[in-house]
Amino acid sequence: GDSVTQMEGPVTLSEEAFLTINCTYTATGYPSLFWYVQYPGEGLQLLLKATKADDKGSNKGFEATYRKETTSFHLEKGSVQVSDSAVYFCALSGTGGSYIPTFGRGTSLIVHP
Amino acid sequence: DGGITQSPKYLFRKEGQNVTLSCEQNLNHDAMYWYRQDPGQGLRLIYYSQIVNDFQKGDIAEGYSVSREKKESFPLTVTSAQKNPTAFYLCASSMRGNEKLFFGSGTQLSVL
Repeated sequence: GDSVTQMEGPVTLSEEAFLTINCTYTATGYPSLFWYVQYPGEGLQLLLKATKADDKGSNKGFEATYRKETTSFHLEKGSVQVSDSAVYFCALSGTGGSYIPTFGRGTSLIVHP
Repeated sequence: DGGITQSPKYLFRKEGQNVTLSCEQNLNHDAMYWYRQDPGQGLRLIYYSQIVNDFQKGDIAEGYSVSREKKESFPLTVTSAQKNPTAFYLCASSMRGNEKLFFGSGTQLSVL
């Protein structure tokens, strides 16, 4: 079945550092790919998405590119802030006619001042 | 404002007790979902419903039950058969055929 693998956390960075959170997937067909963010004590919210190969999703300074050849969708941000501290989930959906997302385990990001 | 409301935010269950978590949405979404979140394990799908009066089991449905009598509401009952219920429970909704999920703010269930 479909699966999503994310790098284990926590990822700990200083403010203004460069962020990369790796995400790779296994899926049949051509899924849509997503990054969701979860702030402490809250539900998830969609951060960005890409629906086909070579698409770049971007939002709030975060970006990720759909790489079909490496089955990856790595999340990047050039300069993180303390307010970016959260758990980030990579997800895919749209394979086999199903729109129910498959989520990765989540990666915790901690940004220090 | 449109959104998903989960209640209560914190819930405590006694041994052998059934408890019900509420989820209401005013987004006019057809599909609704329940996920369980445990530390370090990501999200696991319990049940989902794509239309009123119909629902399907997810990956970990044992010990849980749901109903979908109204489009806006999708309550989850954690039964006494669920031996390890302590977790953070998230409800979500989406337009039918749309992959983007909208989430509620969750309910933390703990066992007394």
